[in-house]
Amino acid sequence: DVKVTQSSRYLVKRTGEKVFLECVQDMDHENMFWYRQDPGLGLRLIYFSYDVKMKEKGDIPEGYSVSREKKERFSLILESASTNQTSMYLCASTQTGGKQETQYFGPGTRLLVL
Amino acid sequence: RKEVEQDPGPFNVPEGATVAFNCTYSNSASQSFFWYRQDCRKEPKLLMSVYSSGNEDGRFTAQLNRASQYISLLIRDSKLSDSATYLCVVNTKNTGFQKLVFGTGTRLLVSP
Repeated sequence: DVKVTQSSRYLVKRTGEKVFLECVQDMDHENMFWYRQDPGLGLRLIYFSYDVKMKEKGDIPEGYSVSREKKERFSLILESASTNQTSMYLCASTQTGGKQETQYFGPGTRLLVL
Repeated sequence: RKEVEQDPGPFNVPEGATVAFNCTYSNSASQSFFWYRQDCRKEPKLLMSVYSSGNEDGRFTAQLNRASQYISLLIRDSKLSDSATYLCVVNTKNTGFQKLVFGTGTRLLVSP
């Protein structure tokens, strides 16, 4: 079974703190994604990566950065957390070619910024 | 206008009922279509792909109308365990990369 894990299920941070969200997948997938999910807005793509050290902006990259130093790990960084970044963050992975639509999601991290 | 639009519901149905969800998408260049299911406080999981000719998986039937840019999901003989949010998802190629665009979801509540 494909497994995508995220470093924390729940996180509480203060405004201005630097926040790291880690995601690891164990299926050697090339592509990894970070989304945030908010009521009424659905899942929105923040950043994605199609290879080690490669990254592409999604629809809402402002206030975020990412790092992909190893194939299995994709990190989302909030340089200076703000209250409007309180959300559910979901990481996903998929392989190149084949059924790209089958994105495998991690369990999510609920981030609260005070 | 949202790229993928769904009725948020909730749809409240009794066990055994048939229920249908609809979804519209705005990008005519969209290439493939899916339904994902998301249980409360859980991650989304692929339910089924949607093919042009329509396709069925047990009690679930998906239909695609490219001319009207419309996707549907029909659930027959609803079970309590079908209670979840159903996400309509469209695969669109944008600046050389394919990406999934998610609808906000339709919530289904099946009651005894």
